[in-house]
Formats: sequence, C-alpha cells, structure tokens
Amino acid sequence: EIVLTQSPDTLSLSPGERATLSCRASQSVSSNYLAWYQQKPGQVPRLLIYGASSRDAGIPDRFSGGGSGTDFTLTISRLDPEDFAVYYCQQYGRSPHTFGQGTKLEIK
Amino acid sequence: EVQLVESGGGLVQPGGSLRLSCAASGFNFNDYWMSWVRQAPGKGPEWVANIKGDGSEKDYVDSVKGRFTISRENGKNSLYLEMNSLTVEDTAVYYCARGGAVAGVWGQGTLVTVSS
Repeated sequence: EIVLTQSPDTLSLSPGERATLSCRASQSVSSNYLAWYQQKPGQVPRLLIYGASSRDAGIPDRFSGGGSGTDFTLTISRLDPEDFAVYYCQQYGRSPHTFGQGTKLEIK
Repeated sequence: EVQLVESGGGLVQPGGSLRLSCAASGFNFNDYWMSWVRQAPGKGPEWVANIKGDGSEKDYVDSVKGRFTISRENGKNSLYLEMNSLTVEDTAVYYCARGGAVAGVWGQGTLVTVSS
C-alpha cells in the first residue's frame, strides 16, 4: 500500500498570501496519478486537481498542482477567505487508492 | 444535473449487516466506474471499493475484502454496497462517488454506525 504523508498538518496564513501544501508518497506514484481534494466543515470533499496538475472543471486558476514521482505540491497563489479548509491528496496509480491524512489551512 | 443519492445507513450492532444504495442521475451511468469511499468521524477519506461500468471488474481495500460486496444495476442506475460482519472500525459516512479512482462527483453520504 502506498502511504501518503501530507505536511504541514496545519498551515496558518492570511487572505492574499500564498499557500504551499506538500504530499509525499512512500513509493513512486505511477503516471503521476495524484489528486487533491478540498473539504470544508460539514461538506463533501471536492475534487480540485487530478493527474498531479490538471484542474477539474470550474476550479479557479489560483489552484495549481505540481510534482512527480514521490513528491507533490498544491499551491494556492493568493488565498481567498473561502479557501480555508482541509486539503487531502490521493494516489490512484495503485490499488488501494490511498489518501493522505490532510492539511488544515486556517486563517492566521 | 449530475446527482448521487445514498441511502441505507443506520445503527447496527457489531457482527451485523447493512446494504447501502446509491441512486445516480444526470449522466450515462453504464459508462462510468463507480466507487464507495468512507470517512470516519474526524478522519480523512478512505477508498473502499470500485466497480467497472459493466460490472465485470471490482476491487476492494484489504480491510473489507471478504466482508463487503460492491454491485450495480445499470437498468436502475443504482450502485450498492453489501456490508457483512461489521465492526466498530467500519463506523463512517459512506459516500458513493463517480469514478473508479478519482472521485469527481460525490453524493452527500449516508452514516453507518456500528455499536452495541
């Protein structure tokens, strides 16, 4: 099973700042099959990024994904108040399709 | 509008069984792999199982193999999860999701609580 470790656990930033979230895999993720989701309290996870760097439909371009192999990042270029949430990475290159433990992005 | 609506959750004793259902609408159900993903209280999501559009391929996370069965009825645009030998560790919100790997569309979820 591929274990995904996200860092940091909590990130405290202000609106307008840049956020960089990390996801490290215990083994190489084949074909960069890595996705990012956003989850707000009481809501369902929302797909942001798939294929490591492709934005899902309707996702603002301030969200970008990068990386390859075992190291991936989600960058939010300028934080909007609605971006404060928990973010999860998921690899789907190998079964089981594991998720990371999440990074909570909170308002400073 | 693409929509997934789960049902069938509830309170069950350890060792018990439940059958979850997911009604899909707004897309060609037959064309899509479908998945069940669960999320325990205060935890991250966990992929549970998926099934190919024609039902010919299925896969499960190890912790549910032999206990859970995923199935679908394309004529009814419905996805199912039969859960047997439930344990307290199976307590979670269970989501139906479109996609076999990347979950692009999620239902609102149904809560399964396993407790004596």
